Amino acid sequence: EPEVTQTPSHQVTQMGQEVILRCVPISNHLYFYWYRQILGQKVEFLVSFYNNEISEKSEIFDDQFSVERPDGSNFTLKIRSTKLEDSAMYFCASSEARESITEAFFGQGTRLTVV
Amino acid sequence: AQSVTQPDIHITVSEGASLELRCNYSYGATPYLFWYVQSPGQGLQLLLKYFSGDTLVQGIKGFEAEFKRSQSSFNLRKPSVHWSDAAEYFCAVAPFSGNTGKLIFGQGTTLQVKP
Repeated sequence: EPEVTQTPSHQVTQMGQEVILRCVPISNHLYFYWYRQILGQKVEFLVSFYNNEISEKSEIFDDQFSVERPDGSNFTLKIRSTKLEDSAMYFCASSEARESITEAFFGQGTRLTVV
Repeated sequence: AQSVTQPDIHITVSEGASLELRCNYSYGATPYLFWYVQSPGQGLQLLLKYFSGDTLVQGIKGFEAEFKRSQSSFNLRKPSVHWSDAAEYFCAVAPFSGNTGKLIFGQGTTLQVKP
């Protein structure tokens, strides 16, 4: 069964460092998303991406964040200068792009720890 | 603003007992509704979804949920809980659109199953 894969599963980084989280969406999907879950809190939408551009982003997704689809398979989330409060589980998701109703499929997540 | 409320943060049931997890949403129209499950260290797995039609929907692992428009609720049920059902459960809603990748999640309910 097709699945969304994320690497690494756990990333530890020092405050102020740049980090790139990687995702391989399901191959025929065209919508891509990043969500995050701070420990003990709800899952929060960060950004959606379609046709090589951001289609929607939340208030959380400030200038420190960026997304990119560098090739035909990967979808990345970059945090330029990490802060302690960026520590969270980050989930990538993807969905098909068609006129009928679609649903998002989630990866296993990357746990980011900023020290 | 759209919101999802899961009133029960933590629920403990005995194995074999029935289960109901509550979810209420606030949205101007009938949204798309989802239940996800997150086992420890795992990603988000879709249990079931409601888009339209029959208000009682069946999902995987023996779960079902009932949409009640008058109560703005989408409660998850299972007649007989198994120890492997211990996990965190998230209710989520998505705006009425052709693509439902952007989700708004509730706080989650942690289910503990007693032997």
